[in-house]
Amino acid sequence: NAGVTQTPKFRVLKTGQSMTLLCAQDMNHEYMYWYRQDPGMGLRLIHYSVGEGTTAKGEVPDGYNVSRLKKQNFLLGLESAAPSQTSVYFCASSYYLKQGATDTQYFGPGTRLTVL
Amino acid sequence: RKEVEQDPGPFNVPEGATVAFNCTYSNSASQSFFWYRQDCRKEPKLLMSVYSSGNEDGRFTAQLNRASQYISLLIRDSKLSDSATYLCAVPRTYGGATNKLIFGTGTLLAVQP
Repeated sequence: NAGVTQTPKFRVLKTGQSMTLLCAQDMNHEYMYWYRQDPGMGLRLIHYSVGEGTTAKGEVPDGYNVSRLKKQNFLLGLESAAPSQTSVYFCASSYYLKQGATDTQYFGPGTRLTVL
Repeated sequence: RKEVEQDPGPFNVPEGATVAFNCTYSNSASQSFFWYRQDCRKEPKLLMSVYSSGNEDGRFTAQLNRASQYISLLIRDSKLSDSATYLCAVPRTYGGATNKLIFGTGTLLAVQP
């Protein structure tokens, strides 16, 4: 049981380049999330998904797109990378609980992205 | 008031000391709370969940004060291995759905030998 995995672990991009970060989970979780973490800013939600084929915007969605074609995978895309997107990106997943309840989120190991 | 607020620290304590962190939150409707531990350059990992007044797990105790809207984390008999950043997380409610968490910026703990 690998939990939540992310690829790649590190990446350096030039401004304007594009890339896709892959997140995979083997816990059969309904919900998946993409966060970015910057010094002094904490974890900020970029996009999330409540099930296969659905996505929604979080706090800081601009410049990112996501897709969830399969329940176990959640992809984060940067179409035209900017230096402001230099960050550590974490994927997370959780179970669905009944309305009004919140479950623990399990995180992947992160992707360190530098945009020059 | 920020949705979730933590003292960033650092808290520098000697081995064996007892240390406590607070986390204040603004959403009075929140029903569950979480403490995560994050080691340097690693992912956050769940330390404790708090669903009622509190929770205890070995040397770690989490308490909830709904009236004052804060949760606390108490670590007794600190070990060098407890050195990490401790994040609190509170659900955010959008239209009745509470599947999203808001994270604090974390409190850095450094346990000294």
